[in-house]
Amino acid sequence: EVQLVASGGGLMQPGGSLNVSCAAAGFAVSSDSMTWVRQSPGKGLEWVSVIYTGDKTFYSDSVKGRFTISRDNSKNTLYLQMNNLTAEDTAVYYCVRLAPFSSFSTFDYWGLGTLVTVSS
Amino acid sequence: QSALTQSASVSGSPGQSITISCTGTSSDVGSYNLVSWYQQHSGKAPKLMIYEVTKRPSGVSNRFSGSKSGNTASLTISGLQAEDEADYYCCSYAGSRNWVLFGGGTKLTVL
Repeated sequence: EVQLVASGGGLMQPGGSLNVSCAAAGFAVSSDSMTWVRQSPGKGLEWVSVIYTGDKTFYSDSVKGRFTISRDNSKNTLYLQMNNLTAEDTAVYYCVRLAPFSSFSTFDYWGLGTLVTVSS
Repeated sequence: QSALTQSASVSGSPGQSITISCTGTSSDVGSYNLVSWYQQHSGKAPKLMIYEVTKRPSGVSNRFSGSKSGNTASLTISGLQAEDEADYYCCSYAGSRNWVLFGGGTKLTVL
């Protein structure tokens, strides 16, 4: 059974850094493309970043230059390093698998998200 | 890049059919047959309901169907059931620069 469990969220001050992780089970993160999608409290979904199987990465304009997506295949874990955090980054962060049977906008497994709150 | 446009809310009675629309542009919805739909119950993670405009993943009820015309995609739910009450989000590939865009979400109320 596929499972994705995100962790590492918390309360951060503006300008701070945080590294959230997502432990995967039931498949290998190395063999599928993985993404982070966030949801601000009471708001809609926003794509944040993707890492393809060939390790090519892309970021939304709102986080480009501040966030870094990566994975540790030996730990079967996905990461999102977040730097220079602002209040606008406050959200539940979901790690999500890109469906291997489709492409781009098809996300077939969503993890339990982790809440990141940026506030002074 | 702006999010895709969805109506904020829609409602229907059990057994009825409803349609949720998702309007984008010729750079996203209109250019690619890569629209997906997600159901999100309160406090839960989203669930894939439709992908590539019309396809249903295994395990999703055939009461859910998708379509697209021009820059607008639609999700139709027939035979409404109480358990369908949730937020629904559309998503479209938007090219290599913007990658994917989500709609703002539509809250479905089953009366």
